[in-house]
Amino acid sequence: QKEVEQNSGPLSVPEGAIASLNCTYSDRGSQSFFWYRQYSGKSPELIMSIYSNGDKEDGRFTAQLNKASQYVSLLIRDSQPSDSATYLCAVNKRGGGGADGLTFGKGTHLIIQP
Amino acid sequence: DADVTQTPRNRITKTGKRIMLECSQTKGHDRMYWYRQDPGLGLRLIYYSFDVKDINKGEISDGYSVSRQAQAKFSLSLESAIPNQTALYFCATSDFGRPYEQYFGPGTRLTVT
Repeated sequence: QKEVEQNSGPLSVPEGAIASLNCTYSDRGSQSFFWYRQYSGKSPELIMSIYSNGDKEDGRFTAQLNKASQYVSLLIRDSQPSDSATYLCAVNKRGGGGADGLTFGKGTHLIIQP
Repeated sequence: DADVTQTPRNRITKTGKRIMLECSQTKGHDRMYWYRQDPGLGLRLIYYSFDVKDINKGEISDGYSVSRQAQAKFSLSLESAIPNQTALYFCATSDFGRPYEQYFGPGTRLTVT
């Protein structure tokens, strides 16, 4: 099983609709979860972090975490063409002999259709 | 604005050459990271450093070395470049208090011919 899994897409959503992006992870010990946005040819940009079960809202973005199901999601309300990008899910990877840092999914390519 | 910068932004080099990629940051963060990104493989951690005296291998460190010259500077070297090291390389930083909230530089596109 891959450590962090995302559907690569493309996910096509009409402008103004809600875009829903999903991510599953394999390490039950992970405690920190992030969503990064990456425009083509640019660097990843941190847009959301979530550390506890439930929802966290920031403007048009809502991150949802369900540790029991090992599932993280990102909702984008009132989608805009400028939201078209690749969204990377990232999960902390604890040390203990392995690399300490973030493990990234391969990303979901989101397209907002005007 | 506090920032993460990388030089060069683009580099083409030949097989067997030594090359250094440099990263500087003005965020005041203590932790620095080097990643590479390949189509279909995502972001993978090469090396990371928690302070000047602390260097750690990531998941794909073979063929690479690093130097942490100062808190704000972290360099990645390819001692003898090979074509499969062609990739987009990113430096990232994070703060001790929020170690997993990482901030990325603009990237270096490296091509090894």
